[in-house]
Amino acid sequence: KQEVTQIPAALSVPEGENLVLNCSFTDSAIYNLQWFRQDPGKGLTSLLLIQSSQREQTSGRLNASLDKSSGRSTLYIAASQPGDSATYLCAVRVAGGGADGLTFGKGTHLIIQP
Amino acid sequence: NAGVTQTPKFRILKIGQSMTLQCTQDMNHNYMYWYRQDPGMGLKLIYYSVGAGITDKGEVPNGYNVSRSTTEDFPLRLELAAPSQTSVYFCASSYHPYEQYFGPGTRLTVT
Repeated sequence: KQEVTQIPAALSVPEGENLVLNCSFTDSAIYNLQWFRQDPGKGLTSLLLIQSSQREQTSGRLNASLDKSSGRSTLYIAASQPGDSATYLCAVRVAGGGADGLTFGKGTHLIIQP
Repeated sequence: NAGVTQTPKFRILKIGQSMTLQCTQDMNHNYMYWYRQDPGMGLKLIYYSVGAGITDKGEVPNGYNVSRSTTEDFPLRLELAAPSQTSVYFCASSYHPYEQYFGPGTRLTVT
């Protein structure tokens, strides 16, 4: 059974710092990996999608990498801003048999101090 | 495009009552999903559908039912509500195997 772990569970940094959020998964047989942002009491906003054949994706100040063989992904946030404060969720889509949905980690709760 | 819409936003049920959570998408996506999110936890897949008339169980299907009569709609039915079903429910859709788009969620309390 696929399991997704996110480290750290919580992170608080001053504004302007570059930071890295980590995600690991136990089964490397994935279609893709998706990073989401969730604001308190809100739905999920998709940030980046990396297909299994890709190594990284970039959107603005965000860069996500994927190392499928080692079961790891990182989300790099450059020049953090208070508006980046949210919970960041990592999710993988399994390949092959079984339920065809996303398996989520528990998230990293990020606070950017002004 | 409205994307994925869910109704209601909030609901309080008494134990044993039933209700249907509505989900509609206007992106012509073939895949649709229902997830639940408990406090401090990641989302867990309840049911999913790969197209009209085709549904399948996810990780936590007990106590729920779904149907998919059209491409746009994917309602989730709770029968005989229990306190363990208190959660936030998210509907999502995708054009397989690309990224999933989520609705704003339904916050359900069973007392």
